[in-house]
Amino acid sequence: EPEVTQTPSHQVTQMGQEVILRCVPISNHLYFYWYRQILGQKVEFLVSFYNNEISEKSEIFDDQFSVERPDGSNFTLKIRSTKLEDSAMYFCASCRDYAETQYFGPGTRLLVL
Amino acid sequence: SQELEQSPQSLIVQEGKNLTINCTSSKTLYGLYWYKQKYGEGLIFLMMLQKGGEEKSHEKITAKLDEKKQQSSLHITASQPSHAGTYLCGADAGNTPLVFGKGTRLSVIA
Repeated sequence: EPEVTQTPSHQVTQMGQEVILRCVPISNHLYFYWYRQILGQKVEFLVSFYNNEISEKSEIFDDQFSVERPDGSNFTLKIRSTKLEDSAMYFCASCRDYAETQYFGPGTRLLVL
Repeated sequence: SQELEQSPQSLIVQEGKNLTINCTSSKTLYGLYWYKQKYGEGLIFLMMLQKGGEEKSHEKITAKLDEKKQQSSLHITASQPSHAGTYLCGADAGNTPLVFGKGTRLSVIA
């Protein structure tokens, strides 16, 4: 069964460093999302992406964040200058069409020291 | 903005017992999703409900959406250790980003 994959599974970085989190959505899906979950808190929406552009973003998704679909399969989230409070589990999700079920990847656990 | 309240926050049940988890929305739901999350892992899709009064079942898990589309319940029959994890409800409030509840942590003891 097709699934969303994410790499790396864990990432440790120093404050101020750039990180890129990678996702491979399910192949025939058209809508892509990033969510994050700070330890012990709710899963929060960051950004949605459709037709090679951002369709919606939350207030968390500030200028330090960017997303890209560099080729036909990968979907990336870049954090330019990481802060301690960026430490969280980051989930990628995709769905086939608007308002259909979103399927989540296993997540990347990011720790900023 | 839409808020989802889940209850209880945590639940410990003996294997074989039934249990119910509730999810209440501050606004009318266009779609209500149930996901399961094991500690430190991703969200596994369980079920989606869209119509008022809708009920869906998968194996021993049944989810319902009330007629007013503001509350959903997840019922597990004859719980097993494999049911342990955190159950999250997620709402589609009319646009595609999902809003999630805090989750209900379920432990099943032998």
